[in-house]
Amino acid sequence: EIVLTQSPGTLSLSPGERATLSCRASQSVSSSSLAWYQHKAGQAPRLLIYGASSRATGIPDRFSGSGSGTDFTLTISRLEPEDFAVYYCQQYASSPWTFGQGTKVEIK
Amino acid sequence: QVQLQESGPGLVKPSETLSLTCSVSGYSISSGYYWGWIRQSPGKGLEWIGSMYHGGNTYFNPSLKSRVTISLDTSKNQFSLKLSSVTAADTAVYFCARKGTSGWFLDYWGQGTLVTVSS
Repeated sequence: EIVLTQSPGTLSLSPGERATLSCRASQSVSSSSLAWYQHKAGQAPRLLIYGASSRATGIPDRFSGSGSGTDFTLTISRLEPEDFAVYYCQQYASSPWTFGQGTKVEIK
Repeated sequence: QVQLQESGPGLVKPSETLSLTCSVSGYSISSGYYWGWIRQSPGKGLEWIGSMYHGGNTYFNPSLKSRVTISLDTSKNQFSLKLSSVTAADTAVYFCARKGTSGWFLDYWGQGTLVTVSS
């Protein structure tokens, strides 16, 4: 089973700042089969990125994904107030599909 | 816009069967896609339980496969989860979701429902 480790656990930033979230896999994630989700308490999680770097429908271009192999990054270029949430990565290269433990982006 | 909504008992006794339903609006489940369930617990984080295609194909997490049943009711545009022989470790928020087109990621989710296993 591929274990995904996200860092940092919590990121304290101000609106307008840049956020860089990391997702590291215990083994190579082939075909860049990695997705990112945003989750706010009490709401449905939202797909942001799939295929490591493709934005999902309706996702603003301030969200970008990069990486390959075992190291992946989600970048939010300029934080908006609605971006403060928990972010999860998920791999779908090898069954069972697994998720990271999450990074919370909080207002500083 | 595709929307999903979970429903079912919030409390289940140990050794019994957990049963949840997901109602889908904005898309007919008989038109395609895999439909499935994910759960989130404090101890194990997010865990993909399983998914089913209207044609009958399925995917199950090997760790849960022996206890899971997923079925689709196209007449009601709903699908359901049954998890048998539950223990306290099955206490979690359960989400229903749709698998994306080009891979095993999830493009639409429900808000989730908390199920507690306790006597």
